[in-house]
Amino acid sequence: GAVVSQHPSWVICKSGTSVKIECRSLDFQATTMFWYRQFPKQSLMLMATSNEGSKATYEQGVEKDKFLINHASLTLSTLTVTSAHPEDSSFYICSAEIGTSGSNEQYFGPGTRLTVT
Amino acid sequence: AQSVTQPDIHITVSEGASLELRCNYSYGATPYLFWYVQSPGQGLQLLLKYFSGDTLVQGIKGFEAEFKRSQSSFNLRKPSVHWSDAAEYFCAVGADTGFQKLVFGTGTRLLVSP
Repeated sequence: GAVVSQHPSWVICKSGTSVKIECRSLDFQATTMFWYRQFPKQSLMLMATSNEGSKATYEQGVEKDKFLINHASLTLSTLTVTSAHPEDSSFYICSAEIGTSGSNEQYFGPGTRLTVT
Repeated sequence: AQSVTQPDIHITVSEGASLELRCNYSYGATPYLFWYVQSPGQGLQLLLKYFSGDTLVQGIKGFEAEFKRSQSSFNLRKPSVHWSDAAEYFCAVGADTGFQKLVFGTGTRLLVSP
C-alpha cells in the first residue's frame, strides 16, 4: 500500500512553454502533499507544501507564479512550471502524507525529469 | 531551522562487509530523524525513522540506526552489505509542525564491490 505515482516520468519541453506534472496517491487519501526539486548529485529541496482545497505554501526563494501548485483533491496534486527556461531543468519529486500529525510518514513518487531546451 | 550533514559523498564497500553511513543534524528540539534510500527510477523509500524511545532503531532490509543526542548524530548501519544495497542514501530531519516538513542531507552514494 501507500503508493504515489507521478506523470510523466520524463518530459522535454521548449523554452517559454509550460509543463504540468501530476502527483497521485493511488491507494490512500493524502491530507498534505509536498513538492521537491533535486539537482544532479544534490539533495532534495522542498519547494512547497499543499493541502487539499487550499493554497500552497511556498518555501523562501521559490517563485509562486512560476511553479503553480493545485491540490484539487485528496489524491491529486499538480505542479505546473510556467514559461519554462533551461534553468528549470531538474528532477521534481512529490510526496504525500497521511494524517495531520508530525510523526506521519511521507510516501514519495518516483520523480519527473524535466528538460527544457 | 533544522539542517542535516552527510559528510561522505560516496562510499565503496565490499559485498559482505559492514556499512556505516554518517549523518549529523542540527535542530533545537528533539528531532524526528529518517533514513531514505533512492534507487534509479524509484521513489525514495523509507528505511527507518526515529521519533522517540529506544535510540537504536531497526529498519527494513537489515538496516539499523542509532540516535546519539550528545553527538547530534543518526548513523545508519548494516552488518553485511549486499550488491542490491548500492543506491543513494539520504538522511533527513523533520519537525512536528502539524505536518512533516523534512530537510534532507546531500546524500551518500553507496557503491558495492564484488
